[in-house]
Amino acid sequence: AQKVTQAQTEISVVEKEDVTLDCVYETRDTTYYLFWYKQPPSGELVFLIRRNSFDEQNEISGRYSWNFQKSTSSFNFTITASQVVDSAVYFCALSEPYNQGGKLIFGQGTELSVKP
Amino acid sequence: ETGVTQTPRHLVMGMTNKKSLKCEQHLGHNAMYWYKQSAKKPLELMFVYSLEERVENNSVPSRFSPECPNSSHLFLHLHTLQPEDSALYLCASSQEGNRLRGEQFFGPGTRLTVL
Repeated sequence: AQKVTQAQTEISVVEKEDVTLDCVYETRDTTYYLFWYKQPPSGELVFLIRRNSFDEQNEISGRYSWNFQKSTSSFNFTITASQVVDSAVYFCALSEPYNQGGKLIFGQGTELSVKP
Repeated sequence: ETGVTQTPRHLVMGMTNKKSLKCEQHLGHNAMYWYKQSAKKPLELMFVYSLEERVENNSVPSRFSPECPNSSHLFLHLHTLQPEDSALYLCASSQEGNRLRGEQFFGPGTRLTVL
């Protein structure tokens, strides 16, 4: 069965610190997608990134970067020089194969608090 | 600006009331979803509609009744709810491909309180 674990329930940092959010997943499938979503206090989930299982290249987008390692089944998310606006709950998710429903399996989320 | 809207944003209802949540997507997607997010719990998928046909129902109690009249609109009809149904209800949409579903885009949610 598919499973996503975000072991860090809450993280608190001071502005300008770098912070890494961990995500470990379990799946027997060779084809799958991994996602990160951000949920600010307003409530809606904001899509950040999708990575397919065949692409292990790390990705950088501004202050955000993602480290995908199939060998350890991890898809970690780093925010560089954090800002107060980064405060939110961050969810990692795994997509089931389509022939099994294709639904997203979410982790429990990590609540990030960035203090000025 | 989000392409998925939800109304109302907040709803307080008694256990004997009947109400409906509405979701509308402006992204041209062909799949829509209802999720429940309770405090300290992962998002729980409730229903999936693909091409206006319900393709998934995750053992949701019958007091929740979804309706998808077209690919842009999704409703969740509520009746005789329980206090434990209080949660944030999120709607999402995506464009389904041949293999894996595409990224889902979420609405702002409806914060439901059942008294």
